Amino acid sequence: GESVGLHLPTLSVQEGDNSIINCAYSNSASDYFIWYKQESGKGPQFIIDIRSNMDKRQGQRVTVLLNKTVKHLSLQIAATQPGDSAVYFCAPGGNMLTFGGGTRLMVKP
Amino acid sequence: NAGVTQTPKFQVLKTGQSMTLQCAQDMNHNSMYWYRQDPGMGLRLIYYSASEGTTDKGEVPNGYNVSRLNKREFSLRLESAAPSQTSVYFCASSVEWVRGYNEQFFGPGTRLTVL
Repeated sequence: GESVGLHLPTLSVQEGDNSIINCAYSNSASDYFIWYKQESGKGPQFIIDIRSNMDKRQGQRVTVLLNKTVKHLSLQIAATQPGDSAVYFCAPGGNMLTFGGGTRLMVKP
Repeated sequence: NAGVTQTPKFQVLKTGQSMTLQCAQDMNHNSMYWYRQDPGMGLRLIYYSASEGTTDKGEVPNGYNVSRLNKREFSLRLESAAPSQTSVYFCASSVEWVRGYNEQFFGPGTRLTVL
């Protein structure tokens, strides 16, 4: 089965700095990836997705990079704000989404 | 447009009791899902329904049953609750069960404690 892991369980950044959250995956056949944000006490919320035929995709203040050679994803958040504090999951898509343990982002004012 | 709704929000059960968690979506989605999330962990898929009339097991189906009542509603039943089923349960839906594109919309969760 799919194995999804994150390099850092907790990331603490200063408000206004950029954040980078990393994610590794094991199944080289994965062709679609989603990043979710989960705030405390709430369900996960879609942030951005990327297909395997892309290396980079940008949204509003967020950028996802995909390196298929090393099976690695990163989520970059520009000018991190207190409202960005949450747990972030990457989930390889396909028939089923597989969620890893997540990375907790803490934003210091 | 409420999205995905779940009831109840909180529930405490005694070991051996049964209950049904309700989920409804108003986005006309074909596919629906039940996940559980244990403290400090990601979500694990319990059951899913690719379309109305079909249900399939996910990663951790033991101890649970589901019913896709209609296109809108997907319920999760615990027949005989066990402390190991203490968790937060999330329902989700997506437009289609399509490989390569599966953005899921999640409900607010049900926090279940089994004593």
